[in-house]
Amino acid sequence: EAQVTQNPRYLITVTGKKLTVTCSQNMNHEYMSWYRQDPGLGLRQIYYSMNVEVTDKGDVPEGYKVSRKEKRNFPLILESPSPNQTSLYFCASSSAGTAFYEQYFGPGTRLTVT
Amino acid sequence: GENVEQHPSTLSVQEGDSAVIKCTYSDSASNYFPWYKQELGKRPQLIIDIRSNVGEKKDQRIAVTLNKTAKHFSLHITETQPEDSAVYFCAASRWDSNYQLIWGAGTKLIIKP
Repeated sequence: EAQVTQNPRYLITVTGKKLTVTCSQNMNHEYMSWYRQDPGLGLRQIYYSMNVEVTDKGDVPEGYKVSRKEKRNFPLILESPSPNQTSLYFCASSSAGTAFYEQYFGPGTRLTVT
Repeated sequence: GENVEQHPSTLSVQEGDSAVIKCTYSDSASNYFPWYKQELGKRPQLIIDIRSNVGEKKDQRIAVTLNKTAKHFSLHITETQPEDSAVYFCAASRWDSNYQLIWGAGTKLIIKP
């Protein structure tokens, strides 16, 4: 089954404790992206990747890191989480190395930083 | 850079009536405009998209119209049903920005029985 998976789905952590949210897709997509969703603000892009070893900042990259060592995986790293990073996070992937085609979203990760 | 505004933020319509959600964009070079639907607790999913070389696209009860001169595009849902209740997001993108999607803030559509 074609899908985008994220883990964990829910995470409660404390300020400053490093964490990683994994994202994996099995559709051989070149393009992958991370978004955060906050009430009234819609979806804001954090980072995106056009292909392996190619990543770029989105609209709200501060406090986040990503890596793309393999085509199927695109982990999101919070080195020192803060309460303002409490949010719902979505990973997405798309074919053809662009977002010009349908983006397939993962199920979301709800992160709470206390 | 591109900015996308979406209105209204909440829309309540009677079942069977039509619903229209409108988005305006600022960058005249934008050329791809998708609409995503997000049901409560679920992930966003693409429902329809349009490219700038066409003015309208239909898929059963949903349609999208694009006015490039006025820089706005709209989602039209006819004969609304309870399963249409969701949050709808519009977005805009241009080919020379690495196809980065700029999203509207979303519209919560409520279908009243």
